[in-house]
Amino acid sequence: EPEVTQTPSHQVTQMGQEVILRCVPISNHLYFYWYRQILGQKVEFLVSFYNNEISEKSEIFDDQFSVERPDGSNFTLKIRSTKLEDSAMYFCASSENPASTEAFFGQGTRLTVV
Amino acid sequence: GNSVTQMEGPVTLSEEAFLTINCTYTATGYPSLFWYVQYPGEGLQLLLKATKADDKGSNKGFEATYRKETTSFHLEKGSVQVSDSAVYFCALILTGGGNKLTFGTGTQLKVEL
Repeated sequence: EPEVTQTPSHQVTQMGQEVILRCVPISNHLYFYWYRQILGQKVEFLVSFYNNEISEKSEIFDDQFSVERPDGSNFTLKIRSTKLEDSAMYFCASSENPASTEAFFGQGTRLTVV
Repeated sequence: GNSVTQMEGPVTLSEEAFLTINCTYTATGYPSLFWYVQYPGEGLQLLLKATKADDKGSNKGFEATYRKETTSFHLEKGSVQVSDSAVYFCALILTGGGNKLTFGTGTQLKVEL
């Protein structure tokens, strides 16, 4: 069964460093998302991406964050100058098209900023 | 704004017990409602959904009914198994509001023998 794959499963980084979280969405999907969950809090929407551009972003998704689809398969989230409060589980998701309400999620990357 | 409130966990049940996980929502329009499940070490998986009032979503013995009058979407299962141990997330998408999901905090369920 097709699945969304995220790497790494766990990333530890020092405060101030840049990290790139990687995702391989399901191959025929066109709509991509990043969500995050800070420990003990809600899963929060960060950004959606369609047709090689951001279609929607939350207020959390400021200039520190960027997304890219560098090739036909990967979808990345870059966090510049990481802060302690960026520590969270980051989930990637994809869906077939903008009209589809079913999103398929990856297993998440746990980011720990020390 | 839109929000989802779930009962806090963890919920610990014996196998074959009845499960209810409460979920209520606030939305500015007409949402579609979802339950996602996360098994240990895995990603979020769609468990069931309902797109309009009075719809019942069901899957793997789990059910939830979209109750507009009480703005609720409680998850139920008549007889839980150890394999149902997971974190359950209630979520909504606002119709016409893009495809972003608004999630609750999640409820951890532990089922013991």
